[in-house]
Amino acid sequence: NAGVMQNPRHLVRRRGQEARLRCSPMKGHSHVYWYRQLPEEGLKFMVYLQKENIIDESGMPKERFSAEFPKEGPSILRIQQVVRGDSAAYFCASSPLGAGPGSYTFGSGTRLTVV
Amino acid sequence: AQKITQTQPGMFVQEKEAVTLDCTYDTSDQSYGLFWYKQPSSGEMIFLIYQGSYDEQNATEGRYSLNFQKARKSANLVISASQLGDSAMYFCAMREKGGSEKLVFGKGTKLTVNP
Repeated sequence: NAGVMQNPRHLVRRRGQEARLRCSPMKGHSHVYWYRQLPEEGLKFMVYLQKENIIDESGMPKERFSAEFPKEGPSILRIQQVVRGDSAAYFCASSPLGAGPGSYTFGSGTRLTVV
Repeated sequence: AQKITQTQPGMFVQEKEAVTLDCTYDTSDQSYGLFWYKQPSSGEMIFLIYQGSYDEQNATEGRYSLNFQKARKSANLVISASQLGDSAMYFCAMREKGGSEKLVFGKGTKLTVNP
């Protein structure tokens, strides 16, 4: 039973390019969460999605960032026109509906570097 | 607003000794959950232990135990019989029940286990 799969593990983009980060939740998990970890910081919530719905995007920057979780396929976190300050580790977590706390499972993260 | 405070940026412990990592939290909710995660140098987030605000017993998972003092709003992690593989960043996090299930993280404590 594969865990939460994130790809790529490392992503390098030049300023102004677009970054697409993918997250495939665990089998049977219908909830996906994205977090960002800046250097020397804890994780900060960005967005919570269920299939085809954004439930809570209170942590998403107002511009350049978007997220989706389509009916088929992985969840995508998209960052347009990246800037150096977007360099961070981006983590995805998934859980099933009505889950207990231990089933909130994180992926290994995508390390984005903007040069 | 929620807040998690981890006051120890770094901790050192001798192998086979016990160590306590501090975590205090601030919430006006009566129902909430507290988590500890381990992040080794490889970067993944590993769930360690969970304590619900209404749980009467302190949570334990193998060598990990959570010293939950509700009146003081503290949820310290105790690691017994430290091993070299315990060297990592440790994050305390909180989730409010009935919300969007998002976690709020502290800034973490870097634990180094010395041989």
